[in-house]
Amino acid sequence: EDQVTQSPEALRLQEGESSSLNCSYTVSGLRGLFWYRQDPGKGPEFLFTLYSAGEEKEKERLKATLTKKESFLHITAPKPEDSATYLCAVPSISSGSARQLTFGSGTQLTVLP
Amino acid sequence: DGGITQSPKYLFRKEGQNVTLSCEQNLNHDAMYWYRQDPGQGLRLIYYSQIVNDFQKGDIAEGYSVSREKKESFPLTVTSAQKNPTAFYLCASSEGGRGVTEAFFGQGTRLTVV
Repeated sequence: EDQVTQSPEALRLQEGESSSLNCSYTVSGLRGLFWYRQDPGKGPEFLFTLYSAGEEKEKERLKATLTKKESFLHITAPKPEDSATYLCAVPSISSGSARQLTFGSGTQLTVLP
Repeated sequence: DGGITQSPKYLFRKEGQNVTLSCEQNLNHDAMYWYRQDPGQGLRLIYYSQIVNDFQKGDIAEGYSVSREKKESFPLTVTSAQKNPTAFYLCASSEGGRGVTEAFFGQGTRLTVV
């Protein structure tokens, strides 16, 4: 069974204190990995797609990287507005060969001013 | 602007009632999905549809039903058979096809049983 595990569950940082979030996965043949940001009471907002080990994507203070077993979301010099829950997801083949996304439970990031 | 519209934003249901959540997209996406999110948990797939007039059960389909009569629309009905329907419901769409591309989400419907 495909699984996605995110750590830590919650992370509190001071403004400007860089850190990384982890997403580890076990899937039979990775077909991409997606990162999302979710603010309270809202739908997830798409951030990045990574398809192959070694690939990196950047957006403002965020950089996502991918290895064969896990992905990291690096946050450089975060600001309070970066506070959100960050979700990762991988495509997995369900019964009947149709494809769907399997999500991790997320990392709740709080950046203190 | 292209996007996914869910309505209503808040919904209250009495026990024993069926309710229908609306999801409309104008992104011309083939695939559409319904997820359920409970506090502190990840998203769990209820139903998905890769093409019009076809849909498949996800991991937690019991007590839910869907239809896909139009490409743009994928309504979800929460039936009285769903024992614990209070949750945040999210609709998403993606291009579909041979692989799974990134999915884009609506702003969600929060359903509360009263």
